[in-house]
Amino acid sequence: ETGVTQTPRHLVMGMTNKKSLKCEQHLGHNAMYWYKQSAKKPLELMFVYNFKEQTENNSVPSRFSPECPNSSHLFLHLHTLQPEDSALYLCASSPGQGGLNEQFFGPGTRLTVL
Amino acid sequence: GESVGLHLPTLSVQEGDNSIINCAYSNSASDYFIWYKQESGKGPQFIIDIRSNMDKRQGQRVTVLLNKTVKHLSLQIAATQPGDSAVYFCAENNAGNMLTFGGGTRLMVKP
Repeated sequence: ETGVTQTPRHLVMGMTNKKSLKCEQHLGHNAMYWYKQSAKKPLELMFVYNFKEQTENNSVPSRFSPECPNSSHLFLHLHTLQPEDSALYLCASSPGQGGLNEQFFGPGTRLTVL
Repeated sequence: GESVGLHLPTLSVQEGDNSIINCAYSNSASDYFIWYKQESGKGPQFIIDIRSNMDKRQGQRVTVLLNKTVKHLSLQIAATQPGDSAVYFCAENNAGNMLTFGGGTRLMVKP
């Protein structure tokens, strides 16, 4: 186990649904990340949070809305998604600014949009 | 733009042999590199890292080599086992706390 947990592990939703993905890290890290992993594509960075502040939004559509209430928890709120948004969504954490960027990943949420 | 890429999409090796997975990077300012292993249905798992002021680092059965002259990174796995079958990613740190990932190489171990 990496110390990063994600729920749910699998999610099927329609295009009109609203759902949320949850990530929790137990490593005392200060930075958290959302990545999207599609078939045959490199990992795509979506959002970065440092000390609860969003420091990176990699041109992600507004139908994805992140929330970081504290350094240990990260959410990704989903609404009116498209079928092409089906992918594995990975959360990661790292010590944060000033330290080595050793990122630890959760197991991911496999999302299917119908 | 700057990118990280992998030479071989699939590598097939015999159990017990050594494996070498390669990665090319293009950003000479990258100062930290990581190799990850991703098994089916799981998230990427940290294997080994190396800073740019080093050219070699060894772990348990794994060695990472860094050649800054040609911007090349490799992962060597000694005595490859069936449990090593997975997709391997290299990643480079070139801006703050952001990593850029390569496309991945699938390692298949034949019994």
